[in-house]
Amino acid sequence: GQQVMQIPQYQHVQEGEDFTTYCNSSTTLSNIQWYKQRPGGHPVFLIQLVKSGEVKKQKRLTFQFGEAKKNSSLHITATQTTDVGTYFCAGDSGGSNYKLTFGKGTLLTVNP
Amino acid sequence: GAVVSQHPSRVICKSGTSVKIECRSLDFQATTMFWYRQFPKKSLMLMATSNEGSKATYEQGVEKDKFLINHASLTLSTLTVTSAHPEDSSFYICSASKSRGYTFGSGTRLTVV
Repeated sequence: GQQVMQIPQYQHVQEGEDFTTYCNSSTTLSNIQWYKQRPGGHPVFLIQLVKSGEVKKQKRLTFQFGEAKKNSSLHITATQTTDVGTYFCAGDSGGSNYKLTFGKGTLLTVNP
Repeated sequence: GAVVSQHPSRVICKSGTSVKIECRSLDFQATTMFWYRQFPKKSLMLMATSNEGSKATYEQGVEKDKFLINHASLTLSTLTVTSAHPEDSSFYICSASKSRGYTFGSGTRLTVV
C-alpha cells in the first residue's frame, strides 16, 4: 500500500533559526496536505498542494510539491516559540475514497 | 469554515465496558468521515472510513467487531469501543472534509483501567 515517509522525526532549534521537514511518498499523489498538531491538541489543516512543482507561502512558512508529485517539504523561516508542534504531511492518492496517508510527523521544539 | 465537534474529550472506563465517541460536522454535511487512532508521540493511524448510510470500511488489522462505527446521518458518526481493555487506551480522532483539506475533531483521550 501507499507509504509516506517523513524526516526528520525530531528537530530542536534555537528561536530565529530555520526549520525544514521533508516528505516522500512511495506513489504519485493527487495532492499533499500539511497539518500542525500542537502538544495536547488535534491536527489543524495548514495547506493543500495540488500542482506539480507548486510552491505556496504562508507568512514564514513555505510549502513545496515536487515535480513528480511524490515529495514535498515545509520550510519555516526564523522560527518562533509559537511554531512548536508536530508537523504532519498527508498524501492523497486520489480516487473516490478520499483517504489520506499520514507521515509520522516531525516534532519541532524551539528554544527561546 | 468547517467545524467538527467530537465528544467526549476525555473518558475513563473500566476494563470490559464499552465507550461511545461522537463526531459531528456542525456546519456541513459529511457523507464520509474518518476515524484515527494516535499513540503518544506517534502519527495518526487510520482505523476506518465511516460512510453515511452504509457499512464502514475498516483498515487492515482493525477489528470491526471491537470498533463499531455507525454513520446514521450526514452530520454524525459514532465510534464505539466495545469490551475495552487497557491496550485500547489511546487518543481517537475523527475527521471530515468540506472542501480543501480535512477538519479534525478535538479528539477523545480514552483511558481504560
